[in-house]
Formats: sequence, structure tokens, C-alpha cells
Amino acid sequence: DTEVTQTPKHLVMGMTNKKSLKCEQHMGHRAMYWYKQKAKKPPELMFVYSYEKLSINESVPSRFSPECPNSSLLNLHLHALQPEDSALYLCASSPSMGQNTDTQYFGPGTRLTVL
Amino acid sequence: QKEVEQNSGPLSVPEGAIASLNCTYSDRGSQSFFWYRQYSGKSPELIMSIYSNGDKEDGRFTAQLNKASQYVSLLIRDSQPSDSATYLCAVDPSSASKIIFGSGTRLSIRP
Repeated sequence: DTEVTQTPKHLVMGMTNKKSLKCEQHMGHRAMYWYKQKAKKPPELMFVYSYEKLSINESVPSRFSPECPNSSLLNLHLHALQPEDSALYLCASSPSMGQNTDTQYFGPGTRLTVL
Repeated sequence: QKEVEQNSGPLSVPEGAIASLNCTYSDRGSQSFFWYRQYSGKSPELIMSIYSNGDKEDGRFTAQLNKASQYVSLLIRDSQPSDSATYLCAVDPSSASKIIFGSGTRLSIRP
């Protein structure tokens, strides 16, 4: 089973709202990722957690705050977003994150609209 | 020079023909290479991974890797309308523990 789940599927929020995106995998993977994808563009890496520790932060604005409560869960907390943050947010996981990166499996994504 | 380059397309191929998608990369030390298919509004789906020079076949899909020339390709035999999607090439450069995506090639299979 190579399933990564994400909730919610769609989210509409105002610029003053606080919301969270959730991601879960039960494959025993030890690396989890957040990507942002705008229309007709490739996914852009935001954060990487390896063994529940933040290992890569691609200079993402602080209005995005990741959290990894345990090895199966990854959250992305959103606060004071801007309309240009509207995008498809993708979660992915891989068995590990070493010198030769393991295959990443993507969840279905959360379509975020910021009004 | 971009780290991973793909022709954006659209690449139009008649149904039943072979579709050939190409990708070049700049980091000669890259070890892992992936092809993802992405339908409009959906998330990327892994099609193939390849790590060694040569061909790797899986059903109608064949990935080809040439590390000396720094290119990786994906062939789709007997193309079907359901193959119409954007195909993303992803490479694991030696310089970073993450994968780098190309901008994707839009493939359209015409009946």
C-alpha cells in the first residue's frame, strides 16, 4: 500500500484565518515532505522532515508552520496567508531521506484558496 | 542552466503510436531518476524510477537512462487517450537530499 492521505481536499480561508492541513501515511516511511504547486508549474519543495525532525526549510515565510507530531503525521499550520498563497498543497513521503533519495509518494493534495 | 530541463510541449502523438519524453539534468553525480504523471488538478503519480544506465521496462512504459550524456527519457508504447497528462521528470542531485523537478511536458494523445 503506497497511500498518503491528506485532509481537507479543499479549503477556502480569509487572510485573517488560522487553519491546518493534515497528512498521514502508514507505510513506515521516515521522511515526509510539503510541496506547493501553482497551476502549470512543477511542485516546489517547502519543508522536509526526516525521522520527525525538520531537516529542510526552503526559506518559506513564517505564515506557514510545519509540525510533525509523530512518524505517521505531518501538519501544516496556516496563518495570515495572502491571496498569492492559493495553490495545491501536496504532502509526500519516502522510506528515508539519505544521500540517494528514496522514491517519494504523493498524497492527493489540498486545494487552498485564500480570499 | 536549469538543473532539470524538459520540453514543455504540448507533445501531440496519435493514438497507438510511441510517445517519447526527454529530460536532461545538470548534476553529473545524480543517482536517482523518477518519472511522474500528473493529470490536471490531481497530484503526481509515480510511473517509473531508474537508477542504472540502460532501459527499464514496466508494461507500456520504458525508462532510459544515460548518465554519460546526462539524460533520461520515458517511452510510452501503444499510446492511449488516458495517457494525456503532464509528465514530470525528477532527479536526485548529489548535492542535496531532495529531488528536483523539471517543469513538465504536456502530452496529448489524439484519437
